[in-house]
Amino acid sequence: GAGVSQSPRYKVAKRGQDVALRCDPISGHVSLFWYQQALGQGPEFLTYFQNEAQLDKSGLPSDRFFAERPEGSVSTLKIQRTQQEDSAVYLCASSLADGVGGNTIYFGEGSWLTVV
Amino acid sequence: AQTVTQSQPEMSVQEAETVTLSCTYDTSESDYYLFWYKQPPSRQMILVIRQEAYKQQNATENRFSVNFQKAAKSFSLKISDSQLGDAAMYFCAYRSYRSGSARQLTFGSGTQLTVLP
Repeated sequence: GAGVSQSPRYKVAKRGQDVALRCDPISGHVSLFWYQQALGQGPEFLTYFQNEAQLDKSGLPSDRFFAERPEGSVSTLKIQRTQQEDSAVYLCASSLADGVGGNTIYFGEGSWLTVV
Repeated sequence: AQTVTQSQPEMSVQEAETVTLSCTYDTSESDYYLFWYKQPPSRQMILVIRQEAYKQQNATENRFSVNFQKAAKSFSLKISDSQLGDAAMYFCAYRSYRSGSARQLTFGSGTQLTVLP
C-alpha cells in the first residue's frame, strides 16, 4: 500500500474486554514497530518485528499485551482484559530494511483506544 | 538506556517569524541518528528532518534546520518563515546506529507549536 494502514481508527472497549488492533505496513517493509502514546506524551516503544520474527518485546507493559506478524506482513496487537490505563493511541510504524539505523520509519495514523 | 528531553511543552510563533524548539538527549553511544517528527491532530507522525551524529554539518530541509551540538548533546529545530500549517506537536527522537542494538526510536515528550496569524 501507499502508506502504513491501521484499523480500527477508533475503538471504545468496556473494561475487561479483549481488543485486536491491525497494522498493514508499507509493502516490502521488513521492520515493523508498535508504539503506545498516552494523551500529552511521546510515543513509547512496545515491540519490534523483523519479518515474522519478534526480536524485541521489552516494551510490552504486561502479559495482557501480545503482538504477532505470522507471515511477515500484517501485524496484530492484542490486548486482553483491557484496563482504563490501556487507553491510548497505538501507533504502528514500518521501515524498508533492518541493519541501518537511519532508514526512515513511516508511521500510520494510529488506533485510538478508549477503555470505559 | 537513552533518554530524550524536550523542556518546552508549548511554544508559539507569529506567522512568517522564526522559532526554535529545544531538545537534549543522553547516550553513551558515539554513533546514532536524531530526528524531528511533526504530529498534527490526525496523530500521524511525519518526519521533518534527520541528522547523523557522525556528520558535523547541520541538516537542512527547506525552512527547517537543526543546530546539532554533539558535545553538549543538544539538537534544536529551527523553523523559518513559519506557516499556519506548521502548527502541530513536534517530537525529538533518537535511534541507535549500531546493528544488533535496539531498533526503536526513543521520543521526547513533545512541544506543542502554535502559529499565530
